[in-house]
Amino acid sequence: DGGITQSPKYLFRKEGQNVTLSCEQNLNHDAMYWYRQDPGQGLRLIYYSQIVNDFQKGDIAEGYSVSREKKESFPLTVTSAQKNPTAFYLCASSTSAGEKLFFGSGTQLSVL
Amino acid sequence: SQQGEEDPQALSIQEGENATMNCSYKTSINNLQWYRQNSGRGLVHLILIRSNEREKHSGRLRVTLDTSKKSSSLLITASRAADTASYFCATDEYQAGTALIFGKGTTLSVSS
Repeated sequence: DGGITQSPKYLFRKEGQNVTLSCEQNLNHDAMYWYRQDPGQGLRLIYYSQIVNDFQKGDIAEGYSVSREKKESFPLTVTSAQKNPTAFYLCASSTSAGEKLFFGSGTQLSVL
Repeated sequence: SQQGEEDPQALSIQEGENATMNCSYKTSINNLQWYRQNSGRGLVHLILIRSNEREKHSGRLRVTLDTSKKSSSLLITASRAADTASYFCATDEYQAGTALIFGKGTTLSVSS
């Protein structure tokens, strides 16, 4: 069953803690993306990757880091430098940049 | 950078009525896409229209694109309660051909 899987569904972060959100796809897509969504808002681009071992910053990359060591995986780390991390995080993939996106079901991150 | 801007922000209609949402953007594009999001879920791709196309249909959905006015509209005919969701337009940045940029969305409420 092809798709894109995000985990966990809910995540809680303590002050000063780094947390990592998982995103895995088995669609054989080259491009992967991380978006942040705040309540009642649209999606803002954090990072994207068009190919393994390469990624680019989006509009709101500060306080976040990513890696793309495997085609299937694009984990997002929310660092302690991100002072307002509470949001809904969405991972997506596509065959190539600018084409139809397939989204995961999202991770809700909250601060304890 | 916010590329697409939807209008209206919220729309309430009765079942059976048509719903029209509009999207305006700022720069040249290769394509424009519409997505749907149910509350607390990931986005689902609805339709993609390329810059050399003027109209596209998919089931009860009709999308138009006017590149001279940098605008698009999404028409949902014979709305159902199950159409209740948020709808987003997204565009690619023509120069870079990179990640999609999303608008803030239109929240559609269809009552029976």
